[in-house]
Amino acid sequence: DAGVIQSPRHEVTEMGQEVTLRCKPISGHDYLFWYRQTMMRGLELLIYFNNNVPIDDSGMPEDRFSAKMPNASFSTLKIQPSEPRDSAVYFCASSFSGEAFFGQGTRLTVV
Amino acid sequence: AQKITQTQPGMFVQEKEAVTLDCTYDTSDQSYGLFWYKQPSSGEMIFLIYQGSYDEQNATEGRYSLNFQKARKSANLVISASQLGDSAMYFCAMRLTGGGNKLTFGTGTQLKVEL
Repeated sequence: DAGVIQSPRHEVTEMGQEVTLRCKPISGHDYLFWYRQTMMRGLELLIYFNNNVPIDDSGMPEDRFSAKMPNASFSTLKIQPSEPRDSAVYFCASSFSGEAFFGQGTRLTVV
Repeated sequence: AQKITQTQPGMFVQEKEAVTLDCTYDTSDQSYGLFWYKQPSSGEMIFLIYQGSYDEQNATEGRYSLNFQKARKSANLVISASQLGDSAMYFCAMRLTGGGNKLTFGTGTQLKVEL
C-alpha cells in the first residue's frame, strides 16, 4: 500500500476562494482523521470519520469548513470562502484500531 | 474528555546521551492507547511507539522506550543513545479505545541533539 495520499501537497489561493483538500486513506482502515497544524495552535483535530460516518466534528472551526467521506477510499475537506487565517498544514490520517498513519500533508497558503 | 500535556516546549541533549520527553494525560476512561510521533523538519508525522492502558510491560522499540506510569497518568518517551537525526518535534497522543476512538495530540516538544 502506498500509504495515506493527500493532494495537493501545496496550495496557494486568494482570500475568498474555495479550497478543496483531498485524502485517500490506507485500504482497510476504518478511521479517518483530519488535522490542522499551525505554530500558534499546534496539531488540532478537526473531524474524524468511522466507516465513512462523521463521528466528531467539534474541532471544525466554523461553518466555512466542511468535510465529506463519500466512500471508504476518499475524503475531502473544503473551505469556502477561504481566509488568510486558514493558512496551515492540513493532515489526513487513517487507522484501523491502533496507530494512525499520516499523509504528507497539504500546505495551504491563503493570500 | 481527554487531554494530553507536554510541558517541555524545547529540550537539548548531547549526542549519545539518553533523553526523556514528558507526557501526562487526563482521562476517566479505563481503556486507551498512548502514542508517540516524531515530526522532523521535513514535516511528515512518523509513528514511533504505542502503549495500551492494560499493558503491564513498558513498550520498547529499538532506542525508544515508553515509561508508562498509570497511577501518575504519565507516558514519558525515553530515547537512548541520541543521534543527530533524532532532532525533531515529538508529539504524545492518546486514543480512547473504549468508545469513539478519538485521537488527540499534545503540543509537542522540540528536541535538539547537539555534538
